[in-house]
Amino acid sequence: DAGVTQSPTHLIKTRGQQVTLRCSPISGHKSVSWYQQVLGQGPQFIFQYYEKEERGRGNFPDRFSARQFPNYSSELNVNALLLGDSALYLCASSLGLRPSTDTQYFGPGTRLTVL
Amino acid sequence: AQSVSQHNHHVILSEAASLELGCNYSYGGTVNLFWYVQYPGQHLQLLLKYFSGDPLVKGIKGFEAEFIKSKFSFNLRKPSVQWSDTAEYFCAVTARIGGTSYGKLTFGQGTILTVHP
Repeated sequence: DAGVTQSPTHLIKTRGQQVTLRCSPISGHKSVSWYQQVLGQGPQFIFQYYEKEERGRGNFPDRFSARQFPNYSSELNVNALLLGDSALYLCASSLGLRPSTDTQYFGPGTRLTVL
Repeated sequence: AQSVSQHNHHVILSEAASLELGCNYSYGGTVNLFWYVQYPGQHLQLLLKYFSGDPLVKGIKGFEAEFIKSKFSFNLRKPSVQWSDTAEYFCAVTARIGGTSYGKLTFGQGTILTVHP
């Protein structure tokens, strides 16, 4: 089975621009979560979606938004990019929300560089 | 809000040495606990998970972790490391409310393990 896939792999943007990152979950997984990983730190939670509904939001500004589509894929949008948004953006999927099904499996990430 | 602390930023061992990586979390309720590993050039992979039952959990590649509720700890162990264990290790926790997990994974800052042949 294919794992979590993300596109694009790398992205270079300039300050003030907008970016859209895409994620396809493992087949059958209904929950998608987004994380930001800055070099030298653990991933930081941005959003979780389950069955197309937002289930949780981390401590990120409103410039960050996301959505989940009927096929459970997801997009993360970041507006008005700042230099500090440069990071690896990780997508993770899980079957569901019960303790036996909530294990999150991560994709390879999208490396965003803001100049 | 939950938080996770990993005791060591960088651990250097020789092959065949024993490994123990410390992890403590702070959260007053029920949690699920995870260890993830990131090998050089690869993405985060699950090593093991605890959510109920036997507090000694066995994972892939000979790793195990013990949940000690009274100490809020979930330390990772391996009796004999190999050069191929060189990687960054992350401890993570999610909160549980009733029968539902609140899916936000809170990660520690990571521990870089370097194993010399």
